[in-house]
Amino acid sequence: DAKTTQPPSMDCAEGRAANLPCNHSTISGNEYVYWYRQIHSQGPQYIIHGLKNNETNEMASLIITEDRKSSTLILPHATLRDTAVYYCIVRVASAGGTSYGKLTFGQGTILTVHP
Amino acid sequence: DTAVSQTPKYLVTQMGNDKSIKCEQNLGHDTMYWYKQDSKKFLKIMFSYNNKELIINETVPNRFSPKSPDKAHLNLHINSLELGDSAVYFCASTQGVTGELFFGEGSRLTVL
Repeated sequence: DAKTTQPPSMDCAEGRAANLPCNHSTISGNEYVYWYRQIHSQGPQYIIHGLKNNETNEMASLIITEDRKSSTLILPHATLRDTAVYYCIVRVASAGGTSYGKLTFGQGTILTVHP
Repeated sequence: DTAVSQTPKYLVTQMGNDKSIKCEQNLGHDTMYWYKQDSKKFLKIMFSYNNKELIINETVPNRFSPKSPDKAHLNLHINSLELGDSAVYFCASTQGVTGELFFGEGSRLTVL
């Protein structure tokens, strides 16, 4: 799976949009971009994923550049409860082989939302 | 209802002991995983089972033995515990290969 690069930490004011960048310049055509987050002392939580089109769900929006070498996770109105480590992961979404559903987590971005 | 539940949440034990962590998911998923998160917060996959069959076995000491009695359960047994085994162990499940994993709350193992 392609490697990702994320800033180690970011701050955001409560109520403002949080824009978390991720660089995945070596991504392959069949690799998806996934975002997870881990709130302190909890298990990781799936947020969103996409291949090349922008995606939106009730939690966030995912913007993927046209060349797919980078993406941005947007939390439109950050709250204090969004303080967490955010992981950007790229993986092949296909069955078989030793990568079956495997997610490789990096160090992520520590997002701190302050009042 | 907790979708992916692990027991125990906390486990403190002595070096050399054998211990087990249990995981159950009520989501009807066919694939389950064990991940380990060490003191530096790196989250690494250890094992994956699909319909009770082992499909991912990362480079893990053979003191670690997963067992899946049915597709809703994946237990982790650890023999001869070492100090370096201290970590938080997360169980997860998914249906197929969507990449949308559901994680449990973790089991914090402390080896003294």
